[in-house]
Amino acid sequence: EVQLVESGGDLVQPGGSLRLSCAASGFTFSDHHMDWVRQAPGKGLEWVARVRTKVRSYSTEYAASVKDRFTVSRDDSKNSLYLQMNSLKTEDTGLYFCARDNNKYSHDYWGQGTLVTVSS
Amino acid sequence: IQLTQSPSSLSASVGDRVTITCRASQGINNYLAWYQQKPGKAPKLLIYFASTLQSGVPSRFSGSGSGTDFTLSISSLQPEDFATYYCKQLNGYPITFGQGTRLEIK
Repeated sequence: EVQLVESGGDLVQPGGSLRLSCAASGFTFSDHHMDWVRQAPGKGLEWVARVRTKVRSYSTEYAASVKDRFTVSRDDSKNSLYLQMNSLKTEDTGLYFCARDNNKYSHDYWGQGTLVTVSS
Repeated sequence: IQLTQSPSSLSASVGDRVTITCRASQGINNYLAWYQQKPGKAPKLLIYFASTLQSGVPSRFSGSGSGTDFTLSISSLQPEDFATYYCKQLNGYPITFGQGTRLEIK
């Protein structure tokens, strides 16, 4: 069974840092591009970042709103995805999901999300 | 690439047929997916490549369209279908979602 389990969400002050993790199981993690998607309270879905597979040199993409502040990475030996978030802003508050790209231009498995709250 | 969904909200009854549209600001080569999300839950993939039904999704869901205009249809609403629906494009970066369509019980 495919499972994605996020962790690391917390309450943090503006300007602070946080590292999210996503533990994957039930599939060959190294074969899939992986993404972070977030959802502010009561709002829609917003794509945050992507890390591609080793075949694609672990290349990354970012939303403009997080570029130069967030860093996405992966450790295929640990079947894990990460999101390092620096210089956090109040508008970064939300539920952060990790999602698996199914190699068909869509996300077929999602975690349950981890809550990040940026507030003083 | 901006995606504009319409309507933003919709009231319907069990058994109704409903259609949600998603318009892209430029062509997206049919790299469009539809998701269903219920409160407090992760999104669920319904349709990919604009019209391919994800495994395990009921056949009352269907997708169509090409280029810039796409639709999600539900042929006969069931109680479990009342949720928020999002389209999403993966033709280029940034990956973008529509603003969502909230489907409510009339």
